[in-house]
Amino acid sequence: KQEVTQIPAALSVPEGENLVLNCSFTDSAIYNLQWFRQDPGKGLTSLLLIQSSQREQTSGRLNASLDKSSGRSTLYIAASQPGDSATYLCALGNSGGYQKVTFGIGTKLQVIP
Amino acid sequence: ETGVTQTPRHLVMGMTNKKSLKCEQHLGHNAMYWYKQSAKKPLELMFVYSLEERVENNSVPSRFSPECPNSSHLFLHLHTLQPEDSALYLCASSHGLASSYEQYFGPGTRLTVT
Repeated sequence: KQEVTQIPAALSVPEGENLVLNCSFTDSAIYNLQWFRQDPGKGLTSLLLIQSSQREQTSGRLNASLDKSSGRSTLYIAASQPGDSATYLCALGNSGGYQKVTFGIGTKLQVIP
Repeated sequence: ETGVTQTPRHLVMGMTNKKSLKCEQHLGHNAMYWYKQSAKKPLELMFVYSLEERVENNSVPSRFSPECPNSSHLFLHLHTLQPEDSALYLCASSHGLASSYEQYFGPGTRLTVT
């Protein structure tokens, strides 16, 4: 059974700082890994999707990497802004006949102006 | 806006009430999902529908009853809920069931059971 861990559970940084969020997983037989953002009381917004054959994906100030052999993914946020404050979740799409996605609990990020 | 809408956004109901949650997607997707998000727990997949047929039921209690009348609409009928059912209920859709497809989420319904 896939288990997903996100550390730290919460993070507070000053505006402008570069930061890294971590996601680790136990089963490397994955189809893809997705990073989401969730604002308080809201749904999830997809940020980046990495297929299992890829090593990283970039979108603007965000860069996500995937290392299946070590069971790790990182989300790098450059030059953080107060608007980046949210909870960030990683989700693993597992191998299988149809889509099964396992989510982490998330890292709550606060960027202080 | 992700193209997935949910109503109502907030719902308070007693344990003897019957209510329904509605989800609509405007993306032309063929698969739709219900998730439950409780505090300090990861999202739990409840139901999966593909082309209006249920393909997954993750041991969800029968007090939750899903309905998918067409590929654009998904309902979750609720009756005799328990206080521990209070949570954020999220609907999602994707082009198909393969894991290579991204899921697009609605804003959720915040449910409180009193």
